[in-house]
Amino acid sequence: GAVVSQHPSRVICKSGTSVKIECRSLDFQATTMFWYRQFPKQSLMLMATSNEGSKATYEQGVEKDKFLINHASLTLSTLTVTSAHPEDSSFYICSASPWGGRQETQYFGPGTRLLVL
Amino acid sequence: QKEVEQDPGPLSVPEGAIVSLNCTYSNSAFQYFMWYRQYSRKGPELLMYTYSSGNKEDGRFTAQVDKSSKYISLFIRDSQPSDSATYLCASSNYGGSQGNLIFGKGTKLSVKP
Repeated sequence: GAVVSQHPSRVICKSGTSVKIECRSLDFQATTMFWYRQFPKQSLMLMATSNEGSKATYEQGVEKDKFLINHASLTLSTLTVTSAHPEDSSFYICSASPWGGRQETQYFGPGTRLLVL
Repeated sequence: QKEVEQDPGPLSVPEGAIVSLNCTYSNSAFQYFMWYRQYSRKGPELLMYTYSSGNKEDGRFTAQVDKSSKYISLFIRDSQPSDSATYLCASSNYGGSQGNLIFGKGTKLSVKP
């Protein structure tokens, strides 16, 4: 149980285009989903926290107009990287916290590798 | 100073060795301490979770937290080649479910057959 999927697993796009990444909790309902970014040899950095049905909370330094997050249901959150640039190339990982789950619980997806040319 | 410091390695050990992975943290408010394992090009998988100080054992894995020295450790006994991965420590003051996990950079471990 507690499986989180992401789609696509990798994407290559041209500079200036937008890319949408989906995060799904497959066997549980997630009231909260999180989006992280991981650069090579760096820590996972939290970008934003999204709660179903409400606006996402962004971490300091993360542009909310560039990284659009939608959490329309208890099993799906999407991250759209708008007008992507080469510096947005990174490994994007989502995680989900089950409704009523343990305090420490946060299940991670397999990640999406984005390369912007 | 970063809130969670972790030596990135790489660390290479022979099969069967005892592995010691360590992190230090600076925020005294941290109460929750986790260890995640991340295989190449995959998302992190929760291995161990500890609240406050003390030890926790699960099979070949033992997590230790010393809040007085702000030191977090993960020990792996009888290491196996399948343990080869990057190990991330993470700390939080409210628990992982609320998202404010602060991660270390990860230590890349290689267990040689």
